[in-house]
Amino acid sequence: EPEVTQTPSHQVTQMGQEVILRCVPISNHLYFYWYRQILGQKVEFLVSFYNNEISEKSEIFDDQFSVERPDGSNFTLKIRSTKLEDSAMYFCASSAGPRYGYTFGSGTRLTVV
Amino acid sequence: KNEVEQSPQNLTAQEGEFITINCSYSVGISALHWLQQHPGGGIVSLFMLSSGKKKHGRLIATINIQEKHSSLHITASHPRDSAVYICAALLTNTGNQFYFGTGTSLTVIP
Repeated sequence: EPEVTQTPSHQVTQMGQEVILRCVPISNHLYFYWYRQILGQKVEFLVSFYNNEISEKSEIFDDQFSVERPDGSNFTLKIRSTKLEDSAMYFCASSAGPRYGYTFGSGTRLTVV
Repeated sequence: KNEVEQSPQNLTAQEGEFITINCSYSVGISALHWLQQHPGGGIVSLFMLSSGKKKHGRLIATINIQEKHSSLHITASHPRDSAVYICAALLTNTGNQFYFGTGTSLTVIP
């Protein structure tokens, strides 16, 4: 069964450093998403991406965040200057369309120290 | 504020019991997703539905659009069903982002 692949599975970074979280969505999917889950809290929407541009973003997705689809397969989330409160599990998801099923990646656990 | 609420928050069941997890939402939806999150954190999609009922193995999901309510049922529960179950709603006034409930933590005891 097709999978969404995320790397790395766990990243530890120092406050203020830039991190790039990587995702390989399912190849024939057109919609890509990033969600995050702070420990003990619910999953929160960050951003959706379609047709090589951001289609929606939440209040969380401020100027320190950016997304890219640098080639035909990867979808990345960059956090420019990490803060302690960015520590969370970050999930990538892809779908064939908003009303179709999502497939989630297994997540990247980001720890900012 | 858009709200997706789940109940119960925590549920402990004996192996073999029939389990029901509820999800309600306050505004109209286009679709609702039931997800399973394992202790390691990974999320697995169980169902996506916009009306009626879906069944997969021992899992059944139902949705009542008029009552703004969905349920996830697990028949003949097993310890391996222990996980957090999350509903996520695609609300009609929010474009294409899902709003997540806080999850129901299920523990099935042998």
